Amino acid sequence: KAGVTQTPRYLIKTRGQQVTLSCSPISGHRSVSWYQQTPGQGLQFLFEYFSETQRNKGNFPGRFSGRQFSNSRSEMNVSTLELGDSALYLCASRVGTSGGYTDTQYFGPGTRLTVL
Amino acid sequence: GDSVTQMEGPVTLSEEAFLTINCTYTATGYPSLFWYVQYPGEGLQLLLKATKADDKGSNKGFEATYRKETTSFHLEKGSVQVSDSAVYFCALASNSNSGYALNFGKGTSLLVTP
Repeated sequence: KAGVTQTPRYLIKTRGQQVTLSCSPISGHRSVSWYQQTPGQGLQFLFEYFSETQRNKGNFPGRFSGRQFSNSRSEMNVSTLELGDSALYLCASRVGTSGGYTDTQYFGPGTRLTVL
Repeated sequence: GDSVTQMEGPVTLSEEAFLTINCTYTATGYPSLFWYVQYPGEGLQLLLKATKADDKGSNKGFEATYRKETTSFHLEKGSVQVSDSAVYFCALASNSNSGYALNFGKGTSLLVTP
């Protein structure tokens, strides 16, 4: 079974631009989550989508948004980029069982975003 | 709120040495606990997990036991190899009405020298 895939792997943008990152979950997984990884803040949860609905959201400004499509693929968008948005953005998927907290999340390789 | 605390790195060991990386947590309810590993330039890989008290997760020679009384989930390996050099993250997932989110520790960098 193919793992979680993310595109693009690397991205360079300038301040003020916007960016869209894409994630394809493992086949059969209904939940997709996004995390931001930086050296200073570590791994921080952005949001989770389940069956096209945002289920949970971390403490990030409204410039960060996402969506999920009917095939469970997800996109994340960051508008008006700031230097501090430079990070590794990780997508993760899980089956999405009832109760859920025993599920394992499987991570993609990440998209490395650099904001100049 | 939920949180995970793990020992700061970097940890440097010689090949075949014993490894312990400490992890403690704070959570309401009964979380699931995970160890993930990240190799340079890659995403996170699940190393092992435990979903209830006294469960032992194990994989590739690594072990961790879910200790509710001490709120701990320490990672151990009896004999490390150079290929174990990576960053290790302890994480928890709790049964929250607001949905699923992994709460990670800061990560512990491990360097194993020949």
